[in-house]
Amino acid sequence: EDQVTQSPEALRLQEGESSSLNCSYTVSGLRGLFWYRQDPGKGPEFLFTLYSAGEEKEKERLKATLTKKESFLHITAPKPEDSATYLCAVQDSGNQFYFGTGTSLTVIP
Amino acid sequence: NAGVTQTPKFQVLKTGQSMTLQCAQDMNHEYMSWYRQDPGMGLRLIHYSVGAGITDQGEVPNGYNVSRSTTEDFPLRLLSAAPSQTSVYFCASRQGPTEAFFGQGTRLTVV
Repeated sequence: EDQVTQSPEALRLQEGESSSLNCSYTVSGLRGLFWYRQDPGKGPEFLFTLYSAGEEKEKERLKATLTKKESFLHITAPKPEDSATYLCAVQDSGNQFYFGTGTSLTVIP
Repeated sequence: NAGVTQTPKFQVLKTGQSMTLQCAQDMNHEYMSWYRQDPGMGLRLIHYSVGAGITDQGEVPNGYNVSRSTTEDFPLRLLSAAPSQTSVYFCASRQGPTEAFFGQGTRLTVV
């Protein structure tokens, strides 16, 4: 059965304190791994897609990486506006999406 | 270009009532889906459609119906609301094996 596990559940960082969020997965035929950002009361907003192990994507202070078993979302020198819940999802060979429960990030000024 | 639009944003129902959550997209995407999001559970797929006239069940379909008469619209019907259906509902659309675009959600409370 396809599964996605995110850790930690919650993370509090000081502004400027870099860290990483983890997404571990088991999936039958990975077609893609997706990272989303979700603000309170909003729908998930797409950040990155990774397709194969070794791939990396960057956007501003965020960098996503992928191995055969997990993905990391690295946050460099975060700012308070980076506070949100970050969701990871995998797409299997049947084109179905499976989401993790997310990591709630709080960046303290 | 509005993307994915969901209505209503908030709804309170009494147990046993029925209602329809509306979802419309203007990106001409073939694939549309409905998810529910509950604390500690993540997003779970209710129903999905790969094109007009084609629908299928997801992980948690019981108590919900869908239809897809046009490419743009994908309504979700609650047949007889139950407190267990209290949740936040998201509609999403995508074109093939790409990222999904989500609506802003409908927060449903069943009392």
